[in-house]
Amino acid sequence: AQSVTQPDIHITVSEGASLELRCNYSYGATPYLFWYVQSPGQGLQLLLKYFSGDTLVQGIKGFEAEFKRSQSSFNLRKPSVHWSDAAEYFCAVGVGTGRRALTFGSGTRLQVQP
Amino acid sequence: ETGVTQSPTHLIKTRGQQVTLRCSSQSGHNTVSWYQQALGQGPQFIFQYYREEENGRGNFPPRFSGLQFPNYSSELNVNALELDDSALYLCASSATGDSPLHFGNGTRLTVT
Repeated sequence: AQSVTQPDIHITVSEGASLELRCNYSYGATPYLFWYVQSPGQGLQLLLKYFSGDTLVQGIKGFEAEFKRSQSSFNLRKPSVHWSDAAEYFCAVGVGTGRRALTFGSGTRLQVQP
Repeated sequence: ETGVTQSPTHLIKTRGQQVTLRCSSQSGHNTVSWYQQALGQGPQFIFQYYREEENGRGNFPPRFSGLQFPNYSSELNVNALELDDSALYLCASSATGDSPLHFGNGTRLTVT
């Protein structure tokens, strides 16, 4: 069965610092991979996705992620964090019909210090 | 473009009761999925509907059921509510092909 691990439950960074959120997946076939962000009391907003092709994908809000098949990883990065980036971040792998049945990790809560 | 809308936003029910949650898909989307997000957890896939038929289901008991209507709106029904059903229920819609899911803001269900 597929699974997603986000090893870091909580991360605090200073505004302007770089960010990397880790994600490891387990899935038998070529994965569809996603990063979503969730602000308190809100739904999920898609940051970026990987289906195939270039392993470095660009997303919204200045985020990027790199797919590394050999490490089963899909880490999210941002070169300079803004206070508005404080939120919960979820990595997910798409399985099932149309790869739309997402299996999510447990999330990483990002705090940004002034 | 109208996004995914869910109603109600909050709901309180008593153990053993039944509840219906509603979702209006984004325009042009013919697939809808439902997810349960317990406090402090990632969302868990409940089921997915395409053209009014269930075509994928997660590890949830039969008391969780759904409907998708011709206008692509959807319902999630939960019978015999249990305390552990307290969660944020998220609806997501998508078009065909490789288009990703677009989520609504969810319905917060509290079972007492």
